[in-house]
Amino acid sequence: EDQVTQSPEALRLQEGESSSLNCSYTVSGLRGLFWYRQDPGKGPEFLFTLYSAGEEKEKERLKATLTKKESFLHITAPKPEDSATYLCAGGNAGGTSYGKLTFGQGTILTVHP
Amino acid sequence: DAGVTQSPTHLIKTRGQHVTLRCSPISGHKSVSWYQQVLGQGPQFIFQYYEKEERGRGNFPDRFSARQFPNYSSELNVNALLLGDSALYLCASSFGGSENTIYFGEGSWLTVV
Repeated sequence: EDQVTQSPEALRLQEGESSSLNCSYTVSGLRGLFWYRQDPGKGPEFLFTLYSAGEEKEKERLKATLTKKESFLHITAPKPEDSATYLCAGGNAGGTSYGKLTFGQGTILTVHP
Repeated sequence: DAGVTQSPTHLIKTRGQHVTLRCSPISGHKSVSWYQQVLGQGPQFIFQYYEKEERGRGNFPDRFSARQFPNYSSELNVNALLLGDSALYLCASSFGGSENTIYFGEGSWLTVV
């Protein structure tokens, strides 16, 4: 059974205090590892897709990395506006597309000023 | 350009009733997927449609059904509603094929009383 586990469940940081979120995955036929940001009451906002071990992608204060078993979302010098739930998901090819994502439970990030 | 649009945004139903949720994908996207997100958890895959055909189904009872129309919009239907069906229902779209960036709508909040 496909499984994605995120840790920690919740993370409190001071503004400027860098840290990392972890995503461990067991997804058969993995074709991509996705990261999303979700604000309360909103749908997930796409951040990154990683395809192969060793790959890294960056966006502003966020950097995502991928190994064969884990992905990390590194947050450098976070600001209060980075507070959100961060979701990790493994995607495998459903037919000819990547519509099926297996999500972790998310990490709730709170950044205090 | 409009993103993934869903309707209605909020609705309240009584146990045993039926509900229809609607989704319009991003223009040009041919793949639509549906997810259920219960409070405090990550989204859970329900269905994927690509080119109007069902390409994947998650572990949900037969009370859940969906379809995709010629214009690639989609409907999710849930019959005989249970209290446990209360959740945020998310629609996601992508081009399909080798393009695998998956975008989510803001969701439809369903409360069953």
